[in-house]
Amino acid sequence: KAGVTQTPRYLIKTRGQQVTLSCSPISGHRSVSWYQQTPGQGLQFLFEYFSETQRNKGNFPGRFSGRQFSNSRSEMNVSTLELGDSALYLCASSLVASSSYNEQFFGPGTRLTVL
Amino acid sequence: GDSVTQMEGPVTLSEEACLTINCTYTATGYPSLFWYVQYPGEGLQLLLKATKADDKGSNKGFEATYRKETTSFHLEKGSVQVSDSAVYFCALSNYGGSQGNLIFGKGTKLSVKP
Repeated sequence: KAGVTQTPRYLIKTRGQQVTLSCSPISGHRSVSWYQQTPGQGLQFLFEYFSETQRNKGNFPGRFSGRQFSNSRSEMNVSTLELGDSALYLCASSLVASSSYNEQFFGPGTRLTVL
Repeated sequence: GDSVTQMEGPVTLSEEACLTINCTYTATGYPSLFWYVQYPGEGLQLLLKATKADDKGSNKGFEATYRKETTSFHLEKGSVQVSDSAVYFCALSNYGGSQGNLIFGKGTKLSVKP
């Protein structure tokens, strides 16, 4: 069974631009969560989508947004990029809405560099 | 809010040495606890988990016991291998508390020398 896939794997943008990252969950999984990983702040939760609805949101500015499609694929968008948005963006999928008991399966991440 | 604190790295060990990575947490209610591992250039993989007090999670020779009295979930392995070199993250999820989804510690980088 194929794992979580994320595209693109690497991305370079300049300040002020916007970017869209894509995540395809494991087949049959309906929940997708996004995390940002930076050396300074570590791993931080961005948001979770389940059945095309945002179920949970972390403490990030409104420049960070996402959506989920009917096939459970998810995209996240960052508008007006800042240098501090440079990070590894990880996507995780789980079979049902994430809970204390469900395992989340992570993709390899998209490395975003903002110049 | 809920939080996870794990020992700072990096940790460098010789092959076959014993490993302990300390992890403590702060959370309301009854969180589940996890250890994830991240190999270079890859995403996170679940290493082990425990969902209630006194549970022991184990996988690939690694173990961790959920200690509610000390709010700890220390990762241990009796004999490390070069292939264990990676970054290890302690995490919790607490849907009974005020925060959702996974909350991670800062990570501990382990290097094992032959």
